[in-house]
Amino acid sequence: AQSVTQLGSHVSVSEGALVLLRCNYSSSVPPYLFWYVQYPNQGLQLLLKYTTGATLVKGINGFEAEFKKSETSFHLTKPSAHMSDAAEYFCAVSVGNAGKSTFGDGTTLTVKP
Amino acid sequence: GAGVSQSPSNKVTEKGKDVELRCDPISGHTALYWYRQRLGQGLEFLIYFQGNSAPDKSGLPSDRFSAERTGESVSTLTIQRTQQEDSAVYLCASRRPSGTDTQYFGPGTRLTVL
Repeated sequence: AQSVTQLGSHVSVSEGALVLLRCNYSSSVPPYLFWYVQYPNQGLQLLLKYTTGATLVKGINGFEAEFKKSETSFHLTKPSAHMSDAAEYFCAVSVGNAGKSTFGDGTTLTVKP
Repeated sequence: GAGVSQSPSNKVTEKGKDVELRCDPISGHTALYWYRQRLGQGLEFLIYFQGNSAPDKSGLPSDRFSAERTGESVSTLTIQRTQQEDSAVYLCASRRPSGTDTQYFGPGTRLTVL
């Protein structure tokens, strides 16, 4: 069985500052890893995903994440936060072809002007 | 349609009543998932449909919960004898057959049990 831990349920940054949202996973087989963003009263939207190949993955809105197998991590970063980045972010892991994902509890990102 | 749609968007019901939630997946997406999201929490897997295979019901919290899917189209999630702890947002997602493909989420149904 797989699991996901997101460190920090709330993260606050200033506009223009670095965004770092942490995600660690546990999986007995090579995982597929995802980051989703959820804006208020909306469904989840995929930011980026890692399946195979290059470990540094670039996504939408300037976000990227790096798969580090040795650290079982898949942290999400963005060099410069924008007010519109304020949302809830979920890390997810799935294995095999079922694609049944296990989600973390989410991190709420607040961006201060 | 352009995306996954869910109805109703909001549902308020009284304890003990049955409710039915609907999900229309993206055309051609053989896989369909239901998740529950309680306030301030992550997504909790409920059930997964893949084509004509038997559904994975391992996440259903009790026998009051059931779901059906007709072929590769609409799915309904039914909650019988609702309880206050059933109050949550119920999210549906669909994807193409490959496990690496993205799950596309609907906007959810917010269920409030009084």
